Amino acid sequence: KQEVTQIPAALSVPEGENLVLNCSFTDSAIYNLQWFRQDPGKGLTSLLLIQSSQREQTSGRLNASLDKSSGRSTLYIAASQPGDSATYLCAVMTTDSWGKLQFGAGTQVVVTP
Amino acid sequence: DGGITQSPKYLFRKEGQNVTLSCEQNLNHDAMYWYRQDPGQGLRLIYYSQIVNDFQKGDIAEGYSVSREKKESFPLTVTSAQKNPTAFYLCASTRPGDSGANVLTFGAGSRLTVL
Repeated sequence: KQEVTQIPAALSVPEGENLVLNCSFTDSAIYNLQWFRQDPGKGLTSLLLIQSSQREQTSGRLNASLDKSSGRSTLYIAASQPGDSATYLCAVMTTDSWGKLQFGAGTQVVVTP
Repeated sequence: DGGITQSPKYLFRKEGQNVTLSCEQNLNHDAMYWYRQDPGQGLRLIYYSQIVNDFQKGDIAEGYSVSREKKESFPLTVTSAQKNPTAFYLCASTRPGDSGANVLTFGAGSRLTVL
């Protein structure tokens, strides 16, 4: 069964620093990997989706990489801002469970002014 | 604007009562999902449906039931058989394809508290 782990569980950085969030998964047979943002008490917002054939995706200050062979993805957020404070979750869709996502527990990020 | 509407946002229930959470989408998505989120844990899949009148159990279906009579609607009933129903419930949808590039859209969630 696919297991998804996110380390660290929480992270606090001063404004302007770059953020590096890690996600690891145990089964490399994946369709895609998605990164989501969740604000307190809210639903999830999709940030980036990386298909299994891709190595990375970029959107503005966000960049996500994927290394299937090692079972890892990293989300980089450049020049962090207080508005980036949220919980970031990664989720994997595996080839034997199409349409179903396996989520990590998330990394709670606080960016201090 | 297209999106997913979940209601109610907050719900309190006494032990032994069934409650139904509503999920409606106007995105013309075929697939819909219900997830449960507990503090410090990732989302866990309860039920999902890829077409009307069809649905499958997820990883934690016991104590829950669903229906999919319309494409736009996927209500979740939390029954009295669910031992620990207090949680944040999230509904999501997507349009399945072959490319694997299907982004899930989530509703704002419903927080259920058992008194």
